[in-house]
Amino acid sequence: QSALTQPASVSGSPGQSITISCTGTSSDVGSYNLVSWYQQHPGKAPKLMIYEGSKRPSGVSNRFSGSKSGNTASLTISGLQAEDEADYYCCSYAGSHSSVVFGGGTKLTVL
Amino acid sequence: QVQLVQSGAEVKKPGASVKVSCKASGYTFTSYYMHWVRQAPGQGLEWMGIINPTGSSTTYAHKFHGRLTMTRDASTSTVYMDLSSLRSEDTALYFCARENGPHLYYFDQWGQGTLVTVSS
Repeated sequence: QSALTQPASVSGSPGQSITISCTGTSSDVGSYNLVSWYQQHPGKAPKLMIYEGSKRPSGVSNRFSGSKSGNTASLTISGLQAEDEADYYCCSYAGSHSSVVFGGGTKLTVL
Repeated sequence: QVQLVQSGAEVKKPGASVKVSCKASGYTFTSYYMHWVRQAPGQGLEWMGIINPTGSSTTYAHKFHGRLTMTRDASTSTVYMDLSSLRSEDTALYFCARENGPHLYYFDQWGQGTLVTVSS
């Protein structure tokens, strides 16, 4: 199972909005509404930001939102803040045999 | 509060095996699926496998077939990941993660990670 495709890096200024794409196939992202997104700061464990494509866990800022169209999922962060600077990973269910696949990760830089 | 506490760092020689533990607390251990995810230095996250709440069923990523064994012990609320025939490419930070499912495949709680270094 190949990894989902994410841009290696994105950047934005404080207050701006950015979107990170996550492209899969009809066997994973396109077939299931089971995409999740994780934020990871250096040396830390990943943190769940979005699940089931667009749902936000309790405690996660509403500046974070998720969506999906076809085989591509997206994470949008609005009102960028310095503490948003981190690596972001998408993740999708890929069926009973392949189970779970991650994206390669996107490094977000807040300018 | 929910916690997943993993065992300490390991250094192993090529060809050896490593067993990493993940002790859960703050929730009903036998109600949740558990996963293992690893991250090589400077690299992304890689899913390794899943174990069901009773430990009776596991699914592993294809690349680990034959080398990976996941088990769990309800009496101690601990999940284990055993990787054999280690090679240098297995050097990574290994995480346990709780699936907030069932069958929803997202991870709401993570262990702190265990660094496994494979070196001769």
